[in-house]
Amino acid sequence: EDKVVQSPLSLVVHEGDTVTLNCSYEVTNFRSLLWYKQEKKAPTFLFMLTSSGIEKKSGRLSSILDKKELFSILNITATQTGDSAIYLCAGLIQGAQKLVFGQGTRLTINP
Amino acid sequence: DGGITQSPKYLFRKEGQNVTLSCEQNLNHDAMYWYRQDPGQGLRLIYYSQIVNDFQKGDIAEGYSVSREKKESFPLTVTSAQKNPTAFYLCASSQWGNENEQFFGPGTRLTVL
Repeated sequence: EDKVVQSPLSLVVHEGDTVTLNCSYEVTNFRSLLWYKQEKKAPTFLFMLTSSGIEKKSGRLSSILDKKELFSILNITATQTGDSAIYLCAGLIQGAQKLVFGQGTRLTINP
Repeated sequence: DGGITQSPKYLFRKEGQNVTLSCEQNLNHDAMYWYRQDPGQGLRLIYYSQIVNDFQKGDIAEGYSVSREKKESFPLTVTSAQKNPTAFYLCASSQWGNENEQFFGPGTRLTVL
């Protein structure tokens, strides 16, 4: 059975801290790993990682994929209160193009 | 504006009634998806459609039905057979191909009383 597991499930930090969110996966016919941010309603796309070891960056956010260890991390540096959200990772199944989601990490940034 | 719309935002129904959730996209995307989100469980795939007049069951299709008569529309019916229908329902769409991310609508929160 395809499975994606995120940790921690919940994280509370102070503004300015750096956080690392974890995502491990067991997905047959794995194609890519996707990260989404969900603030209130619709998840918004952050990154798609297909190749191992290549870091993707967008401002204070960065992510990397390890296809040998079946693992991805999402880093957020100098956190701001606007980073408070649920962060979802998902494995994309090649061919069917189905996404298998993890449970999400609820990140709270306190001022 | 291009995007995905879902309606209604909130929906209340009595137990035993069927209810249909609307999802429309004007992004000209081939593929559309329905997910259910429960607290602590992330998103689970209900049904998806790669092309008009074709759709496949996801991981939790029991108690749900869909249709894809038009490219831009993918309505989801929650039937009385669904044992625990109260949840947040998200619709998504993407261009077909492995390099394309899914874009999500704002969701419908369904409460069955």
